Amino acid sequence: EVQLVESGGGLVQPGGSLRLSCAASGFTFSSYWMSWVRQAPGKGLEWVANIKQDGSETYYVDSVKGRFTISRDNAKNSLYLQMNSLRDEDTAVYYCAMRITMIEWWGQGTLVTVSS
Amino acid sequence: QPVLTQSSSASASLGSSVKLTCTLSSGHSSYIIAWHQQQPGKAPRYLMKVEGSGSCNKGSGVPDRFSGSASGADRYLTISNLQSDDEADYYCETWDSRVFGGGTKLTVL
Repeated sequence: EVQLVESGGGLVQPGGSLRLSCAASGFTFSSYWMSWVRQAPGKGLEWVANIKQDGSETYYVDSVKGRFTISRDNAKNSLYLQMNSLRDEDTAVYYCAMRITMIEWWGQGTLVTVSS
Repeated sequence: QPVLTQSSSASASLGSSVKLTCTLSSGHSSYIIAWHQQQPGKAPRYLMKVEGSGSCNKGSGVPDRFSGSASGADRYLTISNLQSDDEADYYCETWDSRVFGGGTKLTVL
C-alpha cells in the first residue's frame, strides 16, 4: 500500500526557514514525479512544486520561486521541501503527493505556521 | 495556462444523485482532469481521472457510486446514492498538477 508521511512542520517566525520531509513507501519511489501542494486555513488547494523522477527538472509556483527548493533522495525514498524567507502567507498544511499523469496519492499533511 | 472553474457549493438529499462540474478555460477543452475528495479535517483523496472523451480511470477503492464524464470543456463527477460521508469538498486538477479548481463544497441533506 502506498504511504506518504510528511514531517517537519511547525511554528516559525517571518523570515525564518523550515525543511519539510516526506517518507514514501509501498511503491517504486524513483519511478514517479512528486509534488508538494499546500492548503491555507479555510482555503482551497494550491500547487507548490513538482520534481521529476531523477530530480533533473523542478517547477515552482511563482509565489515561492527563489525561496523554496524541492528535492529528493531516491536512495532514501524521501522528498523534501526547503522553505526559506518564510512569509505569513506561507501558513498552510503542506501535502506531499505522488503523481502519475495526475496526483494519485496524498500524504496526511504537515502544518506550517508562520507568525511572530 | 488553463483555469478550472467550479461552483462553490452544491447540495443534494441522502440517497439521491448529484453531478458536479469542472470547466476548463477557453483553448484547453481537451485537457485531462482529476477529481479529488476532501472530507472535513482530512487530507485529499484521489477519485478519478476524466479525459475529454469521457473515459475515466478510478483510483483504488473508489466506490462504483462515483463516476466521471465529459462534454466539451466540462468535466463531471456524478455521485449516486448519496451517503452522509460524501459530504466533502471536491477539487479538480489539471496541467501536471499545477492548476486546481476552487473546489465545490457538497452538502448532503
